[in-house]
Amino acid sequence: DTGVSQDPRHKITKRGQNVTFRCDPISEHNRLYWYRQTLGQGPEFLTYFQNEAQLEKSRLLSDRFSAERPKGSFSTLEIQRTEQGDSAMYLCASSSGQGARFEAFFGQGTRLTVV
Amino acid sequence: DAKTTQPNSMESNEEEPVHLPCNHSTISGTDYIHWYRQLPSQGPEYVIHGLTSNVNNRMASLAIAEDRKSSTLILHRATLRDAAVYYCILRANTNAGKSTFGDGTTLTVKP
Repeated sequence: DTGVSQDPRHKITKRGQNVTFRCDPISEHNRLYWYRQTLGQGPEFLTYFQNEAQLEKSRLLSDRFSAERPKGSFSTLEIQRTEQGDSAMYLCASSSGQGARFEAFFGQGTRLTVV
Repeated sequence: DAKTTQPNSMESNEEEPVHLPCNHSTISGTDYIHWYRQLPSQGPEYVIHGLTSNVNNRMASLAIAEDRKSSTLILHRATLRDAAVYYCILRANTNAGKSTFGDGTTLTVKP
């Protein structure tokens, strides 16, 4: 198992364009999380899935953001009509089981730059 | 989510022990204490976690105060590769997806 994989690693886009990121969790991990991190700050929670069900969304996740996890495997995060304020590192993490006694494993992130 | 408080930065000499403190005075009975670290341009890396008892693994030790309102991550012999931002977070056992990260402690290791 190679860990949590995110694609692409870097994305530069023009303001107003749509972008989509992919996350492949560790196989058989039923929980998948998305976080956003800006420079000098800790990661901020965006949303998480238990299998294919999206169980919680942060207020940070505006209507322009949508996340899916079809079939409970990989997940995609789409940002529509990107704005410069969307520039950040987008992190994906996965964990097995329920509850906080299981650690989460993070991917390397996708760095988005909106110009 | 309960908040954690960590010093902004700490320094250590190589091959010496490092004690990274974390205060979490509003911790609830079901909150687990997790530690992650992050190198520049990398995702956070899991270090260790615990509930009440002290924990040891190959990377570090976690000492949890008896009242659970504080904890200390112990790196027994710091190496240059341990230089990173260390995050102490509380994860509620009822809502484990919603981890709240603070700004962490930036650890500098001097050769």
